[in-house]
Amino acid sequence: NAGVTQTPKFRVLKTGQSMTLLCAQDMNHEYMYWYRQDPGMGLRLIHYSVGEGTTAKGEVPDGYNVSRLKKQNFLLGLESAAPSQTSVYFCASRSYLGQNQETQYFGPGTRLLVL
Amino acid sequence: GQSLEQPSEVTAVEGAIVQINCTYQTSGFYGLSWYQQHDGGAPTFLSYNALDGLEETGRFSSFLSRSDSYGYLLLQELQMKDSASYFCAVHPGTYKYIFGTGTRLKVLA
Repeated sequence: NAGVTQTPKFRVLKTGQSMTLLCAQDMNHEYMYWYRQDPGMGLRLIHYSVGEGTTAKGEVPDGYNVSRLKKQNFLLGLESAAPSQTSVYFCASRSYLGQNQETQYFGPGTRLLVL
Repeated sequence: GQSLEQPSEVTAVEGAIVQINCTYQTSGFYGLSWYQQHDGGAPTFLSYNALDGLEETGRFSSFLSRSDSYGYLLLQELQMKDSASYFCAVHPGTYKYIFGTGTRLKVLA
């Protein structure tokens, strides 16, 4: 099992450019999440999905779009990158086995620099 | 609003015991998680408490008091490799999670 994988690992964009971050999980989890992490601010939820074909907004969704066409993949898009989107992006999938058995598995992260 | 509070930094010596506290204020509550993150790495799951009380997993234990909106992570027999950031996260319902800003633990030799 690869767990949760993310591509690319690192990217530099110019302001106004677009890109898509890909997240893939092989654990057959229904729930998937995209977070961004900035220094001193912890993890903030961008968008999430509770199953194939569904998406919902998180805490900081502006400037991002997502799609979940296949259960194992969750894509995060930046249509017109801004320097404020410079961050580390983490994808996660959630395992829920009962009331006291809940875990999020995180991918290795994508470091994005917008100039 | 919804908020989680945890200390920004804790320092302890190798072999000691350290407790990292987390207080939360959220509109709903299903459970409290703890994650460890080494510099440059991804968060990794440590524990999840949905019910009051203590959960023990090896050297790590996690405690929850729902009535006090409070939890803590207890690390025993500290090792140098425990130097990392530790995040508490609340599951307030509707599939979302809210993370604290993290506690940076420094373990000294």
